[in-house]
Amino acid sequence: ETGVTQSPTHLIKTRGQQVTLRCSSQSGHNTVSWYQQALGQGPQFIFQYYREEENGRGNFPPRFSGLQFPNYSSELNVNALELDDSALYLCASSSSASGAYNEQFFGPGTRLTVL
Amino acid sequence: AQRVTQPEKLLSVFKGAPVELKCNYSYSGSPELFWYVQYSRQRLQLLLRHISRESIKGFTADLNKGETSFHLKKPFAQEEDSAMYYCALRRGTIFNQAGTALIFGKGTTLSVSS
Repeated sequence: ETGVTQSPTHLIKTRGQQVTLRCSSQSGHNTVSWYQQALGQGPQFIFQYYREEENGRGNFPPRFSGLQFPNYSSELNVNALELDDSALYLCASSSSASGAYNEQFFGPGTRLTVL
Repeated sequence: AQRVTQPEKLLSVFKGAPVELKCNYSYSGSPELFWYVQYSRQRLQLLLRHISRESIKGFTADLNKGETSFHLKKPFAQEEDSAMYYCALRRGTIFNQAGTALIFGKGTTLSVSS
């Protein structure tokens, strides 16, 4: 069984640029959630994808968008980058098959630095 | 508003001492609460959830709805318990059964020294 993977590991961008982060879900999982973790903070929910559709969103502006593909992998896109977007971005996958609470398995994260 | 508060940024104890990591929550409804742990150079992982009422690695946590708390406890700390601990609340009602979204606290670093 393969765990959640994310790419790239680190990324440096400048203000105003656009970035795409990628996540491969754990085998058998069909739900992907994205979180932003700023330095010294807990992860903050961005949005979740289930069966290729957005299935809930946190308090993030529309310039944060995502996609989920038929193989359940996912992308997080951020447009018009701002300095405050510098953070660790975590992807978590879960399965709809296993009952009331579906444990989220986290990836190692992508560290984004905006200069 | 749904919120999780972990009042301590750092908790330092000696090996063998009792540990209590505090967590308070704000939620209108029936909460589902979790503790996640992140060991050095490892990814975030689930430690325990309140509905299972189990003990993992000697840790337990009891949901106290009256005090809106979900403190994590261990009677005798070990050096390998040193890690960052996050309390999390499931935000549920707008999601279908497949999904969950978690609201995390800011985390508490537990440092156990010999």
